[in-house]
Amino acid sequence: KNEVEQSPQNLTAQEGEFITINCSYSVGISALHWLQQHPGGGIVSLFMLSSGKKKHGRLIATINIQEKHSSLHITASHPRDSAVYICAAEEGGSEKLVFGKGTKLTVNP
Amino acid sequence: NAGVTQTPKFRILKIGQSMTLQCAQDMNHNYMYWYRQDPGMGLKLIYYSVGAGITDKGEVPNGYNVSRSTTEDFPLRLELAAPSQTSVYFCASSNRYGQPQHFGDGTRLSIL
Repeated sequence: KNEVEQSPQNLTAQEGEFITINCSYSVGISALHWLQQHPGGGIVSLFMLSSGKKKHGRLIATINIQEKHSSLHITASHPRDSAVYICAAEEGGSEKLVFGKGTKLTVNP
Repeated sequence: NAGVTQTPKFRILKIGQSMTLQCAQDMNHNYMYWYRQDPGMGLKLIYYSVGAGITDKGEVPNGYNVSRSTTEDFPLRLELAAPSQTSVYFCASSNRYGQPQHFGDGTRLSIL
């Protein structure tokens, strides 16, 4: 069974800082998902990637398949980025995702 | 589009009561999922369905039942509520395996 670990668990930053959240997994996967959970509880999918890098606005997700590691970067962070960021591993041949525990990000003005 | 709609948003149950959490999606997605989220823990898969009439167990199915009679609806049933089932429940759907999942807003359930 895949184990998905995220670090750090909690992260506090000042507005404008560059943010990195890390995710590692133990078993080879077909894709890695990054999700955002708003303070109100809603969950939205940010990225799904199986190799390389994806960018959407100020968010960048990268994955290194050989090292079983993915990172989520936020450039020029803003208080509205405050949320819990969750990574999830999609194993090949399975319809199921294995989720990390999440990283709680707080961006102060 | 409404996306994935969950009802109710909040519910308090007494031990031993039963209830059904409703989930409906209007995106014609084949895949639907039920998760629970406990404080400090990652989302855990309870049950999932790959199409109408097909359901399968996830990681934590005990104490729950599901049905999938239509593409749109995927209700989750708690037959004998226990305090250990106090959690936030999320329903999600996706077009097919390997696609991003769309989540409902969640149901916060407390069992006292």
